[in-house]
Amino acid sequence: AQKITQTQPGMFVQEKEAVTLDCTYDTSDPSYGLFWYKQPSSGEMIFLIYQGSYDQQNATEGRYSLNFQKARKSANLVISASQLGDSAMYFCAMREENTGNQFYFGTGTSLTVIP
Amino acid sequence: DTGVSQDPRHKITKRGQNVTFRCDPISEHNRLYWYRQTLGQGPEFLTYFQNEAQLEKSRLLSDRFSAERPKGSFSTLEIQRTEQGDSAMYLCASEHPVQETQYFGPGTRLLVL
Repeated sequence: AQKITQTQPGMFVQEKEAVTLDCTYDTSDPSYGLFWYKQPSSGEMIFLIYQGSYDQQNATEGRYSLNFQKARKSANLVISASQLGDSAMYFCAMREENTGNQFYFGTGTSLTVIP
Repeated sequence: DTGVSQDPRHKITKRGQNVTFRCDPISEHNRLYWYRQTLGQGPEFLTYFQNEAQLEKSRLLSDRFSAERPKGSFSTLEIQRTEQGDSAMYLCASEHPVQETQYFGPGTRLLVL
């Protein structure tokens, strides 16, 4: 079974609008972390936001927020006030505390911001 | 710049040749990771070091792949007898022992002809 599922291969959003990128995960480990990374065409993975499984509140970092629904095992990324520079691939990732230190990544969502 | 650096950024080689990539992590980050990313996919874990010790290896890491981190600082990833299927982006990431987040380098794009 896939650890991380991103069902939206591509998304479009109008500049200045908000957009939600979906991510669901699969784990039986009670302690885990969820991450979102941005990958522009240059290739570098840029860390955006982190949510711990025991965190009570949804994580926020500037225009990024993580909509964490533990019972549904979803960790959607919300980008508010989209900018042209937000056009990139976005990857959701998970680390399980009890099964090593590697990250499991989804297949990504390509976001295009339309002027 | 104190981020993760990788060298070279691009490498083109002929099938059967050996290649070596280098990763310099953020200083004071004792954990170092190698990932491989193919087109249209997310990064896949290859191996992980804590200081100089290689603690985890993926089944993706065949016998032709070897990684080292001799002094617990920079790391090298060598691929022997390259195959066309090795063509991918090879990403390195480092992590501080207390933080939860891995910070990635710019990657090395390998093309095997």
